[in-house]
Amino acid sequence: QQQVKQSPQSLIVQKGGISIINCAYENTAFDYFPWYQQFPGKGPALLIAIRPDVSEKKEGRFTISFNKSAKQFSLHIMDSQPGDSATYFCAASRLNDMRFGAGTRLTVKP
Amino acid sequence: NAGVTQTPKFQVLKTGQSMTLQCAQDMNHNSMYWYRQDPGMGLRLIYYSASEGTTDKGEVPNGYNVSRLNKREFSLRLESAAPSQTSVYFCASLDRNEQFFGPGTRLTVL
Repeated sequence: QQQVKQSPQSLIVQKGGISIINCAYENTAFDYFPWYQQFPGKGPALLIAIRPDVSEKKEGRFTISFNKSAKQFSLHIMDSQPGDSATYFCAASRLNDMRFGAGTRLTVKP
Repeated sequence: NAGVTQTPKFQVLKTGQSMTLQCAQDMNHNSMYWYRQDPGMGLRLIYYSASEGTTDKGEVPNGYNVSRLNKREFSLRLESAAPSQTSVYFCASLDRNEQFFGPGTRLTVL
């Protein structure tokens, strides 16, 4: 049973557009919600993360929106660039237990 | 700092063969993890080690064993490989909620 559900599986966006990836979690004990970015042939790397005491976190073109009551969070990539083309994973964790979503393959067309 | 290193990068096994995947980190992190990544499944936790001398099962431990040799090294062993274990394997270490991933080992079991 997947504890973190991510959608869509794949996403194609034009350069300059907004990319939006959504995640939902089951376990209310999770207290840390990161997004990881993975390029082909590489391991995932932390992109941005949020804790449930805030509803939004922004770092440059990347924003996490968090809805604690709905147990949902999303990643918004503003002004998407071809260099953002990668697979994105949301995750939810508490202490040593981190659960990942299935991933979204983002393609940004020039 | 090399970060998290994994060997080998690629491996092809025949059904029933055994092998050990090696992982080392030079960041002095206490916690280390082994994940497998399959298309459409995201990253699934096989085993983790919260500290030297301790190991715990994750979501998909069957068919695998691990050894936390010392603080730096965490190995994953397949005793009798099966085609269902064809996957990309990632090792990671944890520092204050952020997981640092290695480059991965692509394993094919024929």
